[in-house]
Amino acid sequence: GENVEQHPSTLSVQEGDSAVIKCTYSDSASNYFPWYKQELGKGPQLIIDIRSNVGEKKDQRIAVTLNKTAKHFSLHITETQPEDSAVYFCAASKASGGSYIPTFGRGTSLIVHP
Amino acid sequence: DGGITQSPKYLFRKEGQNVTLSCEQNLNHDAMYWYRQDPGQGLRLIYYSQIVNDFQKGDIAEGYSVSREKKESFPLTVTSAQKNPTAFYLCASSMRGSDEQFFGPGTRLTVL
Repeated sequence: GENVEQHPSTLSVQEGDSAVIKCTYSDSASNYFPWYKQELGKGPQLIIDIRSNVGEKKDQRIAVTLNKTAKHFSLHITETQPEDSAVYFCAASKASGGSYIPTFGRGTSLIVHP
Repeated sequence: DGGITQSPKYLFRKEGQNVTLSCEQNLNHDAMYWYRQDPGQGLRLIYYSQIVNDFQKGDIAEGYSVSREKKESFPLTVTSAQKNPTAFYLCASSMRGSDEQFFGPGTRLTVL
């Protein structure tokens, strides 16, 4: 099955700095890569996603890059703010019997210091 | 939390008791999912259902059971056979054939 590795497990930055979280996956058939943000005590919220036919996608301060050859993808957050502090999860998924079942990384706890 | 509700937010049970967690969605989504989250770990799939009256086991189904009698509801029962039931449980849903999942707020279950 799919295996997703996520690094680092904890990331501490100063407000205004950039943050980068990296994930690798093992199944070359995976073709959808979402990123979720989870605030304390809440469910994950999709913040950005990328599909295997695209190399990069941006949404304001957030960007995701995908390298299919190397099987890795990354989340980039620029100009970090204290409200960006949360746990971020990457995932990789592919179609299976009509459903997409993602495999999640272990999460990165991002702390943005004011 | 996108039209998915989970209740209650916190749940306490004694060891050896079965407990049912509620998940309801008003998004008209066909597929629903249950995940378990433990500290420092990613989300692990327990069960999922693509249509009413049908469901499949995920990676860690042992000790859990589900039903899907209505499109909008997918309750999860944590049985006494689950050896380590204390965890944060998340329900999600998606349109059938869609890869985007929407999550509920979660239920934190503590077994004493």
